[in-house]
Amino acid sequence: DTGVSQDPRHKITKRGQNVTFRCDPISEHNRLYWYRQTLGQGPEFLTYFQNEAQLEKSRLLSDRFSAERPKGSFSTLEIQRTEQGDSAMYLCASSFRLANTGELFFGEGSRLTVL
Amino acid sequence: QQQVKQSPQSLIVQKGGISIINCAYENTAFDYFPWYQQFPGKGPALLIAIRPDVSEKKEGRFTISFNKSAKQFSLHIMDSQPGDSATYFCAARAELTGGGNKLTFGTGTQLKVEL
Repeated sequence: DTGVSQDPRHKITKRGQNVTFRCDPISEHNRLYWYRQTLGQGPEFLTYFQNEAQLEKSRLLSDRFSAERPKGSFSTLEIQRTEQGDSAMYLCASSFRLANTGELFFGEGSRLTVL
Repeated sequence: QQQVKQSPQSLIVQKGGISIINCAYENTAFDYFPWYQQFPGKGPALLIAIRPDVSEKKEGRFTISFNKSAKQFSLHIMDSQPGDSATYFCAARAELTGGGNKLTFGTGTQLKVEL
């Protein structure tokens, strides 16, 4: 399967713990995005990488959130000192710079539950 | 501030009927308007998209109608089938630094097609 892969698919943690999610984009895609989706809502933009450079971050991304894409391939999203309000589906998406469409290819998401 | 408003929140249609979902946007800088389909436990997948210089686009049973002056667009699903039962999101694209795609999503429409 050559789609966007996310791991883990589900994570249950206690408030105050740190969690990390991994995303492997489609191999030829150099742009990578993180979105957050809460129940009954559409996905909301969090951050965007072009290759290894993090070019934009949403104001939704508090200081407890950090994302990296060290070699321009896979990316990680870490949430420190989790809060119950962080419970959501974290979606990763990728796109190809030379494509002339605005399409994003989404993974199946990592669902976070903070108890 | 919600920049893309979507209605209705839920929709029940009989098999073979027409499903219509409406969206309105505010930001005139948006330059691409996709519709995504999401099944439970899956990430959103692109269904059909339109650029603002076109008033209508049809792909199979799916049609987007776009009204630039009214800043509105809609999705029509003809001959709706039970397999179309899913959540549908409209979205609008703004360009990010380096040419990336920032999608602003509507709140979603849960479609159920009954036999």
